Amino acid sequence: EVQLVQSGAEVKKPGESLRISCKASGYTFSTYWIGWVRQLPGKGLEWMGVLYPDDSDIKYNPSFQGQVTISADKSTTTAYLQWSSLRASDTAVYYCVRTSATQYPDSWGQGTQVTVSS
Amino acid sequence: DIQMTQSPSTLSAYVGDRVAITCRASQSITRWLAWVQQKPGQAPRLLIYKASTLEGGVPSRFSGSGSGTDFTLTINSLQPDDFATYYCQQYNSKPYTFGQGTKVE
Repeated sequence: EVQLVQSGAEVKKPGESLRISCKASGYTFSTYWIGWVRQLPGKGLEWMGVLYPDDSDIKYNPSFQGQVTISADKSTTTAYLQWSSLRASDTAVYYCVRTSATQYPDSWGQGTQVTVSS
Repeated sequence: DIQMTQSPSTLSAYVGDRVAITCRASQSITRWLAWVQQKPGQAPRLLIYKASTLEGGVPSRFSGSGSGTDFTLTINSLQPDDFATYYCQQYNSKPYTFGQGTKVE
């Protein structure tokens, strides 16, 4: 059974850095694209980017390019989403999502609430 | 980027109704379209992929149709558990993009 287990909720101040994680299990981590989806409070879903762990190929949504860093560790089958300097506008729920071999979003993590407030 | 437009944004319905949600892509995506369901406070759940293929465990009252730029999600005989928000998503090309969502209330 595919499982994506995300790290817990975070409360940070503007300007702080943050890395959230997504531990994958139940499948061959290296050979499926895995990515992140943002959901602002009361709003819809937005793909931020996806990564192919086998060769670390990353495709960012241009809206998020330069704002976040997506990475993965094959040895621990964990994907990461990182910010170097958070803003209040980063307050959202972030989902990690695995895409199938034909790239539809077939498995979702439970979500990580990130709150950025002074 | 491919833009996805759903309609309506909100749909009012009763248990037992047949409802339809449409999704239009800004360019052809052949049949590379998924539908996901999201309930308040929960992660989204895949319902349909490749425009019309039901994900395992999804009730057969859900169906999808369409190709090219125009797609429809239909729910036959709406059940209490179906009141949620529905999103279409194209995976024809990166960046993947979602529609803005349709809330069924």
